[in-house]
This record gives sequence, structure tokens and C-alpha cells, in this order.
Amino acid sequence: DAKTTQPPSMDCAEGRAANLPCNHSTISGNEYVYWYRQIHSQGPQYIIHGLKNNETNEMASLIITEDRKSSTLILPHATLRDTAVYYCIVRPFYSGGGADGLTFGKGTHLIIQP
Amino acid sequence: NAGVMQNPRHLVRRRGQEARLRCSPMKGHSHVYWYRQLPEEGLKFMVYLQKENIIDESGMPKERFSAEFPKEGPSILRIQQVVRGDSAAYFCASSSGTSGTDTQYFGPGTRLTVL
Repeated sequence: DAKTTQPPSMDCAEGRAANLPCNHSTISGNEYVYWYRQIHSQGPQYIIHGLKNNETNEMASLIITEDRKSSTLILPHATLRDTAVYYCIVRPFYSGGGADGLTFGKGTHLIIQP
Repeated sequence: NAGVMQNPRHLVRRRGQEARLRCSPMKGHSHVYWYRQLPEEGLKFMVYLQKENIIDESGMPKERFSAEFPKEGPSILRIQQVVRGDSAAYFCASSSGTSGTDTQYFGPGTRLTVL
């Protein structure tokens, strides 16, 4: 079972910032927070990941609370093409070998409104 | 820099036939993962392979399904004697196997339809 909780759906106006929350209250010290998205029927697309510091790349920003029990993915200027299902995934530090499959929950269906 | 490649993109099989799905990882990646997404459901991990080795097959159905990643060539997910319930999108991901944050990158998927 997924170790994360996300709202099933959210709306956001085009051009505004989309803030997607994720709860991971049982996260362990060696676990990262990863975000992927899946645009209708396409393969999941990696967005960003972090451990405890806030992270930013060309796609998004990731804000992780100090206690690491929740995080927020921020798409700064949402476009219609950002409409997708967004998955927040908790994943252990990879040490080589062993179980390493990602556990996807139901995600948040983000709908960008024109 | 080509991403993860999967072929065919669409595959139609009749019940009882065999399905072979291929995955070529990103350049420099030696780890491959297979996931299945049933209609209207989430993605489920199936199997994790490194070159010539199955590392974790905890998500693979016990019968009819097998996977390999030979020393040369793509990874193959093989489904024998397909049934209608095998109709799904099958996604492959690859990673470099770097210790730490070993990000998985996904391919476009193969959509299997069993008639």
C-alpha cells in the first residue's frame, strides 16, 4: 500500500500556481519524496524529488515540511498541458540490489481550467 | 539522448496466444522495471531486473508471466496464453543503479488488448 495520502482531484486556473499537497506522516529518515505525473495514458513522467530540503527544477518546486510528514508540489504557472494525475511517492534510499519498485497510490487528478 | 523505448506501442492478441513486450532502457542504464496499469486502476510494480538477473519479482503473477534482461538486447516481458484480464498498459522504466537517489524514467508503454 502507498505510504502517501493525496486529494483525489484539484482544479487550478491557467496561469496560476498549482499547489498539490501530499501527506506522508510515516516517512522514515532514509526515505525520499518523489513526484511523478501521468498525462492521459502516457508513461509516468518524473518531476522532482527531495529528502528534507526544498528543491526546485525547471518543472516545479518541492516544499517539504520540517518534520517531513508532508510536502507540496508547486507548478508556478500552470498551463493546460499540466492537466494530469500527479503521484507523490515515498521511496527508500537506494543502496543497490533488493526491492526497488515504486508504489503508486491513486494520485491527484489536477485539472487546469482555461 | 533517447529515452526509454518500448515496442510495440499497441499489441492485439487473441486468447491463448503469447505476448512479447520489449523495453530498451535509456543509454547508460542497466536497471529495468516493469509496471502494469489495468483499466481505470493505478500502476502496479511487477518486476525489477538488472542485466541477466531478476532482482525482485514480487509483483509478478505466479503463472504465465516471465521477464528477462539479457546481456545484449532489450528486456522482454513475456505473457503466455493471454487471457482478457491481461489487457492493460505495460510500462517499463529504467535507472542507472546509482546508489542514493536512483531515479526511474518511464517509457511510453505498450497497450495490450486481448480479444
